[in-house]
Amino acid sequence: GAVVSQHPSRVICKSGTSVKIECRSLDFQATTMFWYRQFPKKSLMLMATSNEGSKATYEQGVEKDKFLINHASLTLSTLTVTSAHPEDSSFYICSVNDHRSSYEQYFGPGTRLTVT
Amino acid sequence: AQSVTQLGSHVSVSEGALVLLRCNYSSSVPPYLFWYVQYPNQGLQLLLKYTTGATLVKGINGFEAEFKKSETSFHLTKPSAHMSDAAEYFCAVSDIRGSNYKLTFGKGTLLTVNP
Repeated sequence: GAVVSQHPSRVICKSGTSVKIECRSLDFQATTMFWYRQFPKKSLMLMATSNEGSKATYEQGVEKDKFLINHASLTLSTLTVTSAHPEDSSFYICSVNDHRSSYEQYFGPGTRLTVT
Repeated sequence: AQSVTQLGSHVSVSEGALVLLRCNYSSSVPPYLFWYVQYPNQGLQLLLKYTTGATLVKGINGFEAEFKKSETSFHLTKPSAHMSDAAEYFCAVSDIRGSNYKLTFGKGTLLTVNP
């Protein structure tokens, strides 16, 4: 399967600042990437679908101006949490759509965001 | 709309015992179904998947699942639990109507294995 990395694995930031999370597809070109958010003891919530070279598609209830997604290349998508607040603290996970078997998603290791 | 229900948020078994994690789905189209495992503070790893064909699918680490259309179920089993199987397990259904195959996840089942 595809190999996906995320950076950083863990980040602590102060309220009001912005933080960028990177998701990289290491061994193939990913036209589609997904961003999820996972609360403690909860399932994964799809935030948005990131398509290379076009605007991301956000799920209902997700603020696109707060969670900026950029998929500038076939191997990199970034999620920027702008003006972070403590309630944005969560585990953020990305996945890539393997075009070789388009229905499969491979997940990154996740990024733990803590906003103080 | 698709949905996934995992019965039992927490399942506890003894080492060597049968593991059974339940998953029921709702889908208006033939589903693609997945089981993922998540270890603490890590991403998700694909255990197995069902798309078409044989309804009993085998995955990694000795796990298998059977697609039963009449019961809208896709339960995950393993004959003999190992301590290393302790993790969170997620069942998911894929929306194959769109081109992006978005996944809808169940709420997860935490599996603990007692020595």
